[in-house]
Amino acid sequence: DAGITQSPRHKVTETGTPVTLRCHQTENHRYMYWYRQDPGHGLRLIHYSYGVKDTDKGEVSDGYSVSRSKTEDFLLTLESATSSQTSVYFCAISEQAINYGYTFGSGTRLTVV
Amino acid sequence: DQQVKQNSPSLSVQEGRISILNCDYTNSMFDYFLWYKKYPAEGPTFLISISSIKDKNEDGRFTVFLNKSAKHLSLHIVPSQPGDSAVYFCAAIIQGAQKLVFGQGTRLTINP
Repeated sequence: DAGITQSPRHKVTETGTPVTLRCHQTENHRYMYWYRQDPGHGLRLIHYSYGVKDTDKGEVSDGYSVSRSKTEDFLLTLESATSSQTSVYFCAISEQAINYGYTFGSGTRLTVV
Repeated sequence: DQQVKQNSPSLSVQEGRISILNCDYTNSMFDYFLWYKKYPAEGPTFLISISSIKDKNEDGRFTVFLNKSAKHLSLHIVPSQPGDSAVYFCAAIIQGAQKLVFGQGTRLTINP
């Protein structure tokens, strides 16, 4: 079920370089989210979108920006990557935002060296 | 400020026995709760949920209990099977707020 795909799946980048992660959905869901998963912290919300060009910050948004120019694509950009942004990044989609839960992508493992 | 807390990073249970995973929350405005299961190299998948108007919800081997006065929920898996070995995340939301808040996760290992 490829309703949501993330690319790339793995990436190694150098400190100070910009990085963009892509989330693509084929479900036409309104809501899209970017989370990061870190040991001891679980999943923390970076940014989310509630429609084309409508985005808002989550709890760990510093150093990240997002864009959603089409319903199906939600991009996460690390403007200048730092080692603290080494993490696994998950995109999620939802239509009703809650009752039936989110559908998550398979994740992007990002290493900043 | 961790609003949803899973205080046990790991849990080991024998196959066939009951697994009990716990979750505490601090925000009394949360009114819907969910459990997700995550295998390595995969995204989390929705498992079971409960509204704050209920105190129990069952789905096959999985039951979620909610104690609002204690701000505590638990996930019971009976009987536990090897395929249940995964990381389990508790999540909570204020309906209408559009954002799930997750706990730190508990790694469940089912031993044969």
